[in-house]
Amino acid sequence: QVHLVQSGAEVKEPGASVKLSCKASGSPSANYVIHWMRQAPGQRLEWMGWVHAVNGNRLYSQKFQGRVTITTDTSASTAYMELNSLRSEDTALFFCAHENWGSGHLDYWGQGTLVTVSS
Amino acid sequence: DIVMTQTPLSSPVTLGQPASISCRSSQSLVHSDGNTYLSWLQQRPGQPPRLLIYKISNRFSGVPDRVSGSGAGTDFTLTISRVEAEDVGVYFCMQCTQFPYTFGQGTKLEIK
Repeated sequence: QVHLVQSGAEVKEPGASVKLSCKASGSPSANYVIHWMRQAPGQRLEWMGWVHAVNGNRLYSQKFQGRVTITTDTSASTAYMELNSLRSEDTALFFCAHENWGSGHLDYWGQGTLVTVSS
Repeated sequence: DIVMTQTPLSSPVTLGQPASISCRSSQSLVHSDGNTYLSWLQQRPGQPPRLLIYKISNRFSGVPDRVSGSGAGTDFTLTISRVEAEDVGVYFCMQCTQFPYTFGQGTKLEIK
């Protein structure tokens, strides 16, 4: 069973950047991707992008393109999501989730990281 | 982007009774590889989402068989045959057929 552990809550000022981490353990295969999602209060989940755990290939949602960078540290089995130019609507829970490459479903999710953007 | 629309948004159900949630996509979710990547997730209060069903009707590990999924093309349904207290939460459909992946707005299941 895959276990994803995310970094702790963050408080940032508008215009700042935040970098969250997601450490994976227990995956039976190295051929997996990590997705990142945003869940703002009262809003539906939004998919932000993914990164392949080994080859570093990535894909971003056009909505977040230019503001988000998703990377991976293979040796540490950790994925990162950096979001720049933070604004109030980025106050949200951010989740990472695991997908065996090509399976078409996100089978394990991290516990979530709360980011609060406030001056 | 594919828009996912769920109904109802709230579903009060009596324990032991069935519950049903619908999800409609703005375009067909049939992938060029022939699969339909429609999933259902449950989010209990204060918890992350949890995968219940994938590819329309496949139950994920540990999901009880009173939970089932059905549908095709653009119309999908999640059914719980006999609601139990542990089923309380918000249910989302999600499509992974086309980027960007998109989610329904969520259906809150509560006990009457």
